[in-house]
Amino acid sequence: ILNVEQSPQSLHVQEGDSTNFTCSFPSSNFYALHWYRWETAKSPEALFVMTLNGDEKKKGRISATLNTKEGYSYLYIKGSQPEDSATYLCASPIYGNNRLAFGKGNQVVVIP
Amino acid sequence: NAGVMQNPRHLVRRRGQEARLRCSPMKGHSHVYWYRQLPEEGLKFMVYLQKENIIDESGMPKERFSAEFPKEGPSILRIQQVVRGDSAAYFCASSPRGAGGEQFFGPGTRLTVL
Repeated sequence: ILNVEQSPQSLHVQEGDSTNFTCSFPSSNFYALHWYRWETAKSPEALFVMTLNGDEKKKGRISATLNTKEGYSYLYIKGSQPEDSATYLCASPIYGNNRLAFGKGNQVVVIP
Repeated sequence: NAGVMQNPRHLVRRRGQEARLRCSPMKGHSHVYWYRQLPEEGLKFMVYLQKENIIDESGMPKERFSAEFPKEGPSILRIQQVVRGDSAAYFCASSPRGAGGEQFFGPGTRLTVL
């Protein structure tokens, strides 16, 4: 893989259900993997910065895992709530020099 | 501690005019990054600056675009002779250090070229 890619592009989740989505990135010369949460009309807000293979990070009901050998990260939302509706972006400095390459995002809509 | 500030939030220009976008990083942050989001696309890196220096401008078009981050004052992204294709949301981010650390984003400037 040559770029940062995210799937699925969008998903609808029933309130209370858990969900997860994937970020894929080049596994060679890996440095860091960033997850951001982006609500409409607001700034992207950093959730996690992950650097080590096997890292797991958690913030409230949101958690993320990292596999640098195979080049993927999962983001999990447990017990989705309407306020979790947002676009979740992952990014990595795949070209070096702090130049973050972003995926197109996972757009999550939580249905009450 | 105020977050990253960008102004204006919305900017309308006619073709051929100049657009100036400003970004004030968070206090204590000396690294600034500019990203652009074109319609239906993700965020794309444009330029990375430290105080008074351009570190990486590989994502910025060679013509009409320039960026600076002076010793005093905000970082400026300048687009000369704007065209319709420049219409996009421009985001600035800052960080206290480089090395792939967390970047803090501003609310963006939405540029519309008529």
